Amino acid sequence: AQSVTQLGSHVSVSEGALVLLRCNYSSSVPPYLFWYVQYPNQGLQLLLKYTSAATLVKGINGFEAEFKKSETSFHLTKPSAHMSDAAEYFCAVSVGFGNEKLTFGTGTRLTIIP
Amino acid sequence: DSGVTQTPKHLITATGQRVTLRCSPRSGDLSVYWYQQSLDQGLQFLIQYYNGEERAKGNILERFSAQQFPDLHSELNLSSLELGDSALYFCASSPREPGELFFGEGSRLTVL
Repeated sequence: AQSVTQLGSHVSVSEGALVLLRCNYSSSVPPYLFWYVQYPNQGLQLLLKYTSAATLVKGINGFEAEFKKSETSFHLTKPSAHMSDAAEYFCAVSVGFGNEKLTFGTGTRLTIIP
Repeated sequence: DSGVTQTPKHLITATGQRVTLRCSPRSGDLSVYWYQQSLDQGLQFLIQYYNGEERAKGNILERFSAQQFPDLHSELNLSSLELGDSALYFCASSPREPGELFFGEGSRLTVL
């Protein structure tokens, strides 16, 4: 079975600072990895996805993530935080076609300090 | 707007009651997923349907059931409700790209 672990349930960064949200995965087969964002009172929205092509994946709103097989990690970064980035972020894993369901991590709430 | 519509947005009911949550997927998406989000359990996968057929089952209680109709909309039925069933229930649809789910805004269920 596959799983993801998000380190840090709450992260605070200053506006303009680097955002780093950590995710480690466990999977018996090559995984598909995703980051989703949830703004208050909204559903989840796909930020970016890794599906075994390039290991550095760029997403929306300036976010990117790097797949590191040796570290079983898929950390999310953004060079400069903006107030509008305040939200909850979920890392998720799927094992691909035939089993498309996502298994989510517990989420990281990102707070931006003005 | 994800294109996925869920109704009702909010629902308050009593223990022991039964409710039905409805989901209309994005146009053209054949897969529908149901997830439960609560503070203590996080986001839990309940069940997936693909073109009317059950495809995968997760942590769905026996008191809960779902179906997908020929027009591809889906309903999640929750019965004999308990206080612990209070949660946000999300529906998502997918064009069948692995993991690329489009979520509705959720139905918030409160059981009193």
